[in-house]
Amino acid sequence: KNEVEQSPQNLTAQEGEFITINCSYSVGISALHWLQQHPGGGIVSLFMLSSGKKKHGRLIATINIQEKHSSLHITASHPRDSAVYICAASYNNNDMRFGAGTRLTVKP
Amino acid sequence: NAGVTQTPKFQVLKTGQSMTLQCAQDMNHEYMSWYRQDPGMGLRLIHYSVGAGITDQGEVPNGYNVSRSTTEDFPLRLLSAAPSQTSVYFCASRRARDYGYTFGSGTRLTVV
Repeated sequence: KNEVEQSPQNLTAQEGEFITINCSYSVGISALHWLQQHPGGGIVSLFMLSSGKKKHGRLIATINIQEKHSSLHITASHPRDSAVYICAASYNNNDMRFGAGTRLTVKP
Repeated sequence: NAGVTQTPKFQVLKTGQSMTLQCAQDMNHEYMSWYRQDPGMGLRLIHYSVGAGITDQGEVPNGYNVSRSTTEDFPLRLLSAAPSQTSVYFCASRRARDYGYTFGSGTRLTVV
């Protein structure tokens, strides 16, 4: 069964802190996605990666294929980063499975 | 470009009624998909399409039908709504397998 596990479920940080959200998956994937869901409900795709590391501004995503693990890092966190972060695994058969999400709150 | 447009944004249905959730994209993306999001369950894939005329089932397809007659449109049909279909529905598209997704703003459906 394709399963995606995320941790932590909830995360509260002070502004400026370095944040890490973890994602693990159970079987081989074609790509790993990180999504951001705003408090209003809209979903934005942050990263899609199948190996190595990607960086966009203060966001960094890494993946370790051998360990079936990915991390999303936020450097110098800001209250506007408060959102739900979702990892999702896509497979060669076009199936897609999602983690339950990590609710991040960054306090000023 | 408008991106991915979903209509309606909100809908209340009675049990047994039918309706179609609309999804349209103007980016010439080949891949389109429908998801539902339930509290505590996360997002789940309902149906997807890899191009016009081609559709396939995702994790939770029962109770839903789709068709893809054009590249732009991918409607989701509920033939006989049930309270278990109360959810927020998202449509998404991407250019191809090696690209990220663009999501619509969602449709909040309540079946009473």
